[in-house]
Amino acid sequence: EIVLTQSPATLSLSPGERATLSCRASQNVSDYLAWYQQKPAQAPRLLIYDASNRATGIPARFNGSGSGTDFTLTISSLEPEDFAVYYCQQRNHWPVTWTFGQGTKVEIK
Amino acid sequence: QVHLVQSGAEVKKPGASVTVSCKASGYTFTDSFIHWVRQAPGQGLEWVGRINPNSGGTYYGQKFQGRVTMTRDTSISTAYMELSRMRSDDTAVYYCATQQHNGDHFDDWGPGTLVTISS
Repeated sequence: EIVLTQSPATLSLSPGERATLSCRASQNVSDYLAWYQQKPAQAPRLLIYDASNRATGIPARFNGSGSGTDFTLTISSLEPEDFAVYYCQQRNHWPVTWTFGQGTKVEIK
Repeated sequence: QVHLVQSGAEVKKPGASVTVSCKASGYTFTDSFIHWVRQAPGQGLEWVGRINPNSGGTYYGQKFQGRVTMTRDTSISTAYMELSRMRSDDTAVYYCATQQHNGDHFDDWGPGTLVTISS
């Protein structure tokens, strides 16, 4: 079963700074990787799917890249509403399961 | 637009069962899979399982095999997740989420249902 490892666990940045989040898969997942944002007491929200495609309504400052085993979510210039926890996710084809990384918290410095 | 409404919070004793419902609207219910994902207090996201509302076919996470049952009622566009023999570490918020057939990600999420296991 594929394991997703996110780094860093916590990212302390100021508004306007660039955030770079990493997600590494234990095996090749091609480009089948998604990113979600979760704010306190809210459900997760889809940001990026298939590694680099922004979901409907997601601002252009959110960019996903990578393929194979190494993936990156970049927030080009942090807005106050971007401070949240971010998860990556992929699907295992056998056994058929869906897996999340452990999350990266982006906090205000 | 897609709207998922979940049943209310539950408090159960250890060993009991709970059923959480997820009523969908804004799309054709049988056109998307429904997943269940849970989140224990202060923890990350954990996939529980998936149901195909069209066929009723399911996939369950290995950790939940034998304890979870997912069903659906297409006449009212509602999916259900039953978890039995619950333990204190099953205390979590349980989310339903949709997956379109042409993707492997979760497009829309319900607001979550808090299930608390306490003696």
